[in-house]
Amino acid sequence: DAGVIQSPRHEVTEMGQEVTLRCKPISGHDYLFWYRQTMMRGLELLIYFNNNVPIDDSGMPEDRFSAKMPNASFSTLKIQPSEPRDSAVYFCASSLDGRSYNEQFFGPGTRLTVL
Amino acid sequence: AQSVSQHNHHVILSEAASLELGCNYSYGGTVNLFWYVQYPGQHLQLLLKYFSGDPLVKGIKGFEAEFIKSKFSFNLRKPSVQWSDTAEYFCAVNAAESGYSTLTFGKGTMLLVSP
Repeated sequence: DAGVIQSPRHEVTEMGQEVTLRCKPISGHDYLFWYRQTMMRGLELLIYFNNNVPIDDSGMPEDRFSAKMPNASFSTLKIQPSEPRDSAVYFCASSLDGRSYNEQFFGPGTRLTVL
Repeated sequence: AQSVSQHNHHVILSEAASLELGCNYSYGGTVNLFWYVQYPGQHLQLLLKYFSGDPLVKGIKGFEAEFIKSKFSFNLRKPSVQWSDTAEYFCAVNAAESGYSTLTFGKGTMLLVSP
């Protein structure tokens, strides 16, 4: 398996523009997670899905952020409109099932810069 | 809710020196504990985890960690570091009770090994 795939790897945009980040989890994994990594706050969980259904979005910073998982092999994280403070590395991860000791497998991340 | 504290933000060592990275967590119940590593330009990957049994856990690349329940600690160790161990290390915890529990990450420790 190719692992978790994210695109784009780098995104530079201007304030006010819409940004869409994409993720393909490992095939057969039931759980998908979106994280944001910044120097100040470290690695924060934004939202996670179980079997394509959003379970907990309490980490989503505000209404400008939205995430979808239309099928088991694809998820998007959208920021509209983007702001400079959204600049961060966004990671997607997937996990096999709901057992709490299971490893999460991370994608390579998308480095977002909002000018 | 859980929290994780990593004592050092940056550690600089010479090759062959011994390593110990501190990790303390805050949670009153049973936990699973993880160490992830992020090599420069790469995604997070699992080094080792503890979920039951022997509190001394051995992982990849010669790393080990010891779970000391009375101290709420899960320190990472390696007897002799190599230049290739230069990376950022993250400790993470989740609750091991029934139902799914998301991971809470520490802020990370950046390790620089000089040749």
